[in-house]
Amino acid sequence: QKEVEQNSGPLSVPEGAIASLNCTYSDRGSQSFFWYRQYSGKSPELIMSIYSNGDKEDGRFTAQLNKASQYVSLLIRDSQPSDSATYLCAVMGTSYDKVIFGPGTSLSVIP
Amino acid sequence: NAGVMQNPRHLVRRRGQEARLRCSPMKGHSHVYWYRQLPEEGLKFMVYLQKENIIDESGMPKERFSAEFPKEGPSILRIQQVVRGDSAAYFCASSLSGGITDTQYFGPGTRLTVL
Repeated sequence: QKEVEQNSGPLSVPEGAIASLNCTYSDRGSQSFFWYRQYSGKSPELIMSIYSNGDKEDGRFTAQLNKASQYVSLLIRDSQPSDSATYLCAVMGTSYDKVIFGPGTSLSVIP
Repeated sequence: NAGVMQNPRHLVRRRGQEARLRCSPMKGHSHVYWYRQLPEEGLKFMVYLQKENIIDESGMPKERFSAEFPKEGPSILRIQQVVRGDSAAYFCASSLSGGITDTQYFGPGTRLTVL
């Protein structure tokens, strides 16, 4: 079982729609969860971090964490073409030193 | 410049040569992480360092790869006798304290091409 898995893409949504990105992880003791956005040829850029169960909202982005289900998601409301990128889910395990990245989900927002 | 700096941004080496990648963390950050991203793949953890110490190198290949973070100067990722399979983007990230709520900030990466 892979340590961090994400829903396979590419994911295409029309402009203005909600994009839903999902991620599951295998280490039940994981404490910290991150969503990064990576444009082609660029470095990852942090969008959201979440540490406790529930929802965390920041502008058009909402991260959701369910530790019992070992599941974390990212919702992007009112999707814009500029949101088109690869979204990386990252999980910090119990050792607190290593962040494991998922393979990423490619999102395309169609004007 | 408050961000993580990496140089060179692009590096071309022939098979058998050595590659040295440098990373200067954000000001005040003492934790450095190296990741490798192969084409069309995700980021893979390589090594985690603090000043003068390697904390976790479980992601480093056993041979040809080494990393250091000296007391003074940038962190260095060194690849000896490069092979074509080493061609990838190498990203460095830094964090303030390494704790569970600490965020890693990424540099722009070094794109290594092995001919």
